[in-house]
Amino acid sequence: AQKITQTQPGMFVQEKEAVTLDCTYDTSDQSYGLFWYKQPSSGEMIFLIYQGSYDEQNATEGRYSLNFQKARKSANLVISASQLGDSAMYFCAMRVLDTGRRALTFGSGTRLQVQP
Amino acid sequence: ETGVTQTPRHLVMGMTNKKSLKCEQHLGHNAMYWYKQSAKKPLELMFVYSLEERVENNSVPSRFSPECPNSSHLFLHLHTLQPEDSALYLCASSGISGANVLTFGAGSRLTVL
Repeated sequence: AQKITQTQPGMFVQEKEAVTLDCTYDTSDQSYGLFWYKQPSSGEMIFLIYQGSYDEQNATEGRYSLNFQKARKSANLVISASQLGDSAMYFCAMRVLDTGRRALTFGSGTRLQVQP
Repeated sequence: ETGVTQTPRHLVMGMTNKKSLKCEQHLGHNAMYWYKQSAKKPLELMFVYSLEERVENNSVPSRFSPECPNSSHLFLHLHTLQPEDSALYLCASSGISGANVLTFGAGSRLTVL
């Protein structure tokens, strides 16, 4: 079974600063995918970024980048130049790719508050 | 209309009521999911449908009954619920290949009195 751990229940960051949200995972499988989602107060889960376990480069999507350290089983999300609209819950998730199982396993989330 | 749409957005029901949550996706996806999000708990997978066939049932009590009549629609039928079933119920859809990114709806906030 897979497990996702997000050890930061809450984080504060100043507007325009960078912030790193931690995520570690546990799996014995070699082929897996890691995802980050954002959940604003409206409730909708918004996909941010994806990293495959065999991807050699760290994933980037605009202001989001994923610091993937496979040996340490960590997949931290880095948000550069924080904006007030980045205030939300952030969830790390993973899926094992070879089993045919489609659903994602989620961590408990980190609440990010961006301060002006 | 695009994306994943969930109705109703808010629902209050008594323990003896019967109600249904509806999810509709316009993305051409062929897998659909129900997740439950309770306060201070990780998202819990409830059901997975792939090509309209239930492929995963995560030990969900029988008072929750899913229905997937076609690849675009997913229902969650509710009956004789308990107050602890109060939560945000999130529907998602995905393709069945590649990274399998789930696209979520905005959720249905359920309160059981």
